[in-house]
Amino acid sequence: AQSVTQPDIHITVSEGASLELRCNYSYGATPYLFWYVQSPGQGLQLLLKYFSGDTLVQGIKGFEAEFKRSQSSFNLRKPSVHWSDAAEYFCAVGAGNQGGKLIFGQGTELSVKP
Amino acid sequence: EAGVAQSPRYKIIEKRQSVAFWCNPISGHATLYWYQQILGQGPKLLIQFQNNGVVDDSQLPKDRFSAERLKGVDSTLKIQPAKLEDSAVYLCASSGAGSVADTQYFGPGTRLTVL
Repeated sequence: AQSVTQPDIHITVSEGASLELRCNYSYGATPYLFWYVQSPGQGLQLLLKYFSGDTLVQGIKGFEAEFKRSQSSFNLRKPSVHWSDAAEYFCAVGAGNQGGKLIFGQGTELSVKP
Repeated sequence: EAGVAQSPRYKIIEKRQSVAFWCNPISGHATLYWYQQILGQGPKLLIQFQNNGVVDDSQLPKDRFSAERLKGVDSTLKIQPAKLEDSAVYLCASSGAGSVADTQYFGPGTRLTVL
């Protein structure tokens, strides 16, 4: 069965510092992978997605993620965090043969120190 | 372009009462999803509609939850009777088609508290 693990429940970084959020997935074939961000009181917004091709994916708001098949990982990175990046981040996996169904991880809450 | 609309934004009920949530997807989107997000967890898919037909409702607790999308546009999710464990945020999302490759656009959600 598909699953997604985000090992870090809460991360705090200083403004201007780099960020890496971890995501590990379990899926038998090549997965469809996503990162979403959720700000308080708002719905989820897609940051980026990976289906195939270049394993380094660029997204919105300066985020990028790298797919590593050997490690079953899809970590999210940003070189310099802004205070407005404070939010909850969700990694998700989808299977091409199950319609649009997404399996989400439990999320990582990001706090940004001034 | 207007986003996914949901109402109400907040609802407080007592256990065993019934409640309904409404969702209006982005215009022209054929696929509509309802997710349940319990505090501290990621969203979990409850049901997926393609136009007005159900694609996946395998995780919908059908003894108490029901959903409809009669005209292939807006949708209603109902809980009857509610239990304490139904306290959660209910998110509606829509996409242009039913493929996992299509971006899902999420509404702001309805926060349900069951007392």
